Amino acid sequence: GALVYQYPRRTICKSGTSMRMECQAVGFQATSVAWYRQSPQKTFELIALSTVNSAIKYEQNFTQEKFPISHPNLSFSSMTVLNAYLEDRGLYLCGATANTGQLYFGEGSKLTVL
Amino acid sequence: TQTVSQSDAHVTVFEGDSVELRCNYSYGGSIYLSWYIQHHGRGLQFLLKYYSGNPVVQGVNGFEAEFSKSDSSFHLRKASVHWSDSAVYFCAASMNNNRIFFGDGTQLVVKP
Repeated sequence: GALVYQYPRRTICKSGTSMRMECQAVGFQATSVAWYRQSPQKTFELIALSTVNSAIKYEQNFTQEKFPISHPNLSFSSMTVLNAYLEDRGLYLCGATANTGQLYFGEGSKLTVL
Repeated sequence: TQTVSQSDAHVTVFEGDSVELRCNYSYGGSIYLSWYIQHHGRGLQFLLKYYSGNPVVQGVNGFEAEFSKSDSSFHLRKASVHWSDSAVYFCAASMNNNRIFFGDGTQLVVKP
């Protein structure tokens, strides 16, 4: 079956340090990958959308300088939270779309910032 | 800009009751509408999706949702809830099914 694997599931980092998270599509090829953040008690905000052979498009309030994304092939994407502070804590979710149009979400990477 | 509005932050029902979770959207063109469920501390699980055709769509675990263009709504319903249905439910809208915008979520509590 198709699924999206995210790693790490949880991480704790010190304020001002960086954290890299990975998203692996298993059983399908991801033509696009979207990264979302769910801050505590909030909804999911779209950070950026990465489509193969296109530039990564960041939403308002999110920048490449803060959340650099790599999408080197059709099964893998990674995003780094640079210089993390308290407001960056939350659940980071990866959503990968297959060429069938079906969208799959991972379980998320939970970031705690001390 | 499309927006998704879930008017109820919390809904509490008893096991066996029916439930309707409301979702309204604002967008003039063709739109994908979907519902997801988030159990505590977990990721999103897909429930159902509508793009065109029959406005009543069936999802997993007995959930269904009805699209109404006139009301700009996509309410989620279940005829008889189980305690395991307790979770946060997110309504979502998208123009192309990969750039998705979520509502604020509705916390459903099912009491035994």
